Amino acid sequence: AQSVTQPDIHITVSEGASLELRCNYSYGATPYLFWYVQSPGQGLQLLLKYFSGDTLVQGIKGFEAEFKRSQSSFNLRKPSVHWSDAAEYFCAVGTGGSYIPTFGRGTSLIVHP
Amino acid sequence: DSGVTQTPKHLITATGQRVTLRCSPRSGDLSVYWYQQSLDQGLQFLIQYYNGEERAKGNILERFSAQQFPDLHSELNLSSLELGDSALYFCASSAGYSSYEQYFGPGTRLTVT
Repeated sequence: AQSVTQPDIHITVSEGASLELRCNYSYGATPYLFWYVQSPGQGLQLLLKYFSGDTLVQGIKGFEAEFKRSQSSFNLRKPSVHWSDAAEYFCAVGTGGSYIPTFGRGTSLIVHP
Repeated sequence: DSGVTQTPKHLITATGQRVTLRCSPRSGDLSVYWYQQSLDQGLQFLIQYYNGEERAKGNILERFSAQQFPDLHSELNLSSLELGDSALYFCASSAGYSSYEQYFGPGTRLTVT
């Protein structure tokens, strides 16, 4: 079965600084990969997804993620963080069979002014 | 706003009781998914309905059940509640039978005392 690891429970960055959130997955074949964001009191919102093709994926709100097969990783990046980016970020993996993603435990992003 | 609505926002009840959570999918979406988010388990898929029929089942307890009605809204019924059932319950919807493009509602926070 597939699994997802987000090694960082919390990440603190200063506003304007760059951001990288880590995600590692475990799955035998090429997975479908996703990043979601959950703002306080809100449901999850899809930031971006990777199914195939170009390994650098652009998403909403200025986020991007890079699929690295050799490292089984799908890290999320943003060049300059805004205070409104403070939220919980979830990486998820799907296998195309059930179309039900498996979610990581999440990384809480704290943004200092 | 994802277009998915959930009621109630908060629910406080006692052990042994039964509650019903309600979800209205985005206009035109035929699939409804239920997820449970707790501190110890993370985000867990419970069950999916497509156009009134059960499509996929995850880690749903026998004490829990769901249904999707002809107008496509869905209800999640939780019975014989235990303290460990306290969690955020999310509903998501998608257009198709099998789709990773899921849109999440704001969730119902259930507290069992």
